[in-house]
Amino acid sequence: KAGVTQTPRYLIKTRGQQVTLSCSPISGHRSVSWYQQTPGQGLQFLFEYFSETQRNKGNFPGRFSGRQFSNSRSEMNVSTLELGDSALYLCASSLYGSGVETQYFGPGTRLLVL
Amino acid sequence: GQQLNQSPQSMFIQEGEDVSMNCTSSSIFNTWLWYKQDPGEGPVLLIALYKAGELTSNGRLTAQFGITRKDSFLNISASIPSDVGIYFCAGLPSGNTPLVFGKGTRLSVIA
Repeated sequence: KAGVTQTPRYLIKTRGQQVTLSCSPISGHRSVSWYQQTPGQGLQFLFEYFSETQRNKGNFPGRFSGRQFSNSRSEMNVSTLELGDSALYLCASSLYGSGVETQYFGPGTRLLVL
Repeated sequence: GQQLNQSPQSMFIQEGEDVSMNCTSSSIFNTWLWYKQDPGEGPVLLIALYKAGELTSNGRLTAQFGITRKDSFLNISASIPSDVGIYFCAGLPSGNTPLVFGKGTRLSVIA
């Protein structure tokens, strides 16, 4: 069974631009969560989608948004990029995102904002 | 919000030594997870713990879910060079709530 895939793996953008990242969960998984990882802050939760609905949201500004499609694939978008948005963006999938499940991570998209 | 205090932040050990790291919180968690992250990759699940007091092994790795449900530890026995990486603990508070991650323990193994 294929793992979680994320595209692109690397991305360079300039301040003020916007970016869209994609995540394909493990086949059959319906929950997708997104995380931002930086050296200083560690792994921080962005949001979780289940059955095309946002179920949980972390403490990030409205510039960060996401969506999930009917095939469970998910995208996240960051508008008006800032230098501080440079990070590794990870998505993780699980069957239902319930409290007894574990999440499986993709390799991440490394975003550099210049 | 809920936080996990993971320690130590980093460790330098000799190959063959045993390693221990832990996570503590002031809040109760229903599930504890331990992940390892290699450079340039996403975290990979090592061990999942679902019950207070549970002790689970995965090869040379052993992890325990504290009986107070506020802590967990991970032990690695007879370390080898491929154990190098960052180890994260993560806790699931309850229900459909997001995972909370520790800041990680960076492990370096000297051959």
